[in-house]
Amino acid sequence: GQQVMQIPQYQHVQEGEDFTTYCNSSTTLSNIQWYKQRPGGHPVFLIQLVKSGEVKKQKRLTFQFGEAKKNSSLHITATQTTDVGTYFCAGPRNTDKLIFGTGTRLQVFP
Amino acid sequence: KAGVTQTPRYLIKTRGQQVTLSCSPISGHRSVSWYQQTPGQGLQFLFEYFSETQRNKGNFPGRFSGRQFSNSRSEMNVSTLELGDSALYLCASSYLPGDRYNEQFFGPGTRLTVL
Repeated sequence: GQQVMQIPQYQHVQEGEDFTTYCNSSTTLSNIQWYKQRPGGHPVFLIQLVKSGEVKKQKRLTFQFGEAKKNSSLHITATQTTDVGTYFCAGPRNTDKLIFGTGTRLQVFP
Repeated sequence: KAGVTQTPRYLIKTRGQQVTLSCSPISGHRSVSWYQQTPGQGLQFLFEYFSETQRNKGNFPGRFSGRQFSNSRSEMNVSTLELGDSALYLCASSYLPGDRYNEQFFGPGTRLTVL
């Protein structure tokens, strides 16, 4: 079945360093969403990408959707301690249910 | 606008018992999805309801069931609890079905512990 994998599984960075997480799907996605879950919290929607090659920015966060619409990335510039959490990508499977990626847990050391 | 609410927030049960969890979506949202979150398995899709109909179901045994009421509130039930059912159960609501280009709003979750 369709799988959505994310790498890395964990990432520890020093505050101020950059961070990137990659999301890869075994099948083409019509769209991809990104969520952030703080420790002890619940996933919160960050953004949605729909078009092939689309790039969107939210302050220090840059989201990209691959040309083939099978992969995506989230890049954080100059991480802050408030960026700590697990980042999930999610995409629809066969225009059916939303499948979440395996997640990347980010730890930022001050 | 009030967010997604889930009750109870914490639950402790013993093996063999059954449990019912409740989710009230954001007003106007007709889609409710349920997810099981565990440290080892991440976010696993359980099922989705839209306008009182189950649209799809994840790969979980028949012990897991759910329903949605006319006011869009949803319940999920787990019968004959097993130790492996210990997890955070999250529900998410959206105006349209989950795959239809709209964001999911998650509730705080119900933390279920099976002893």
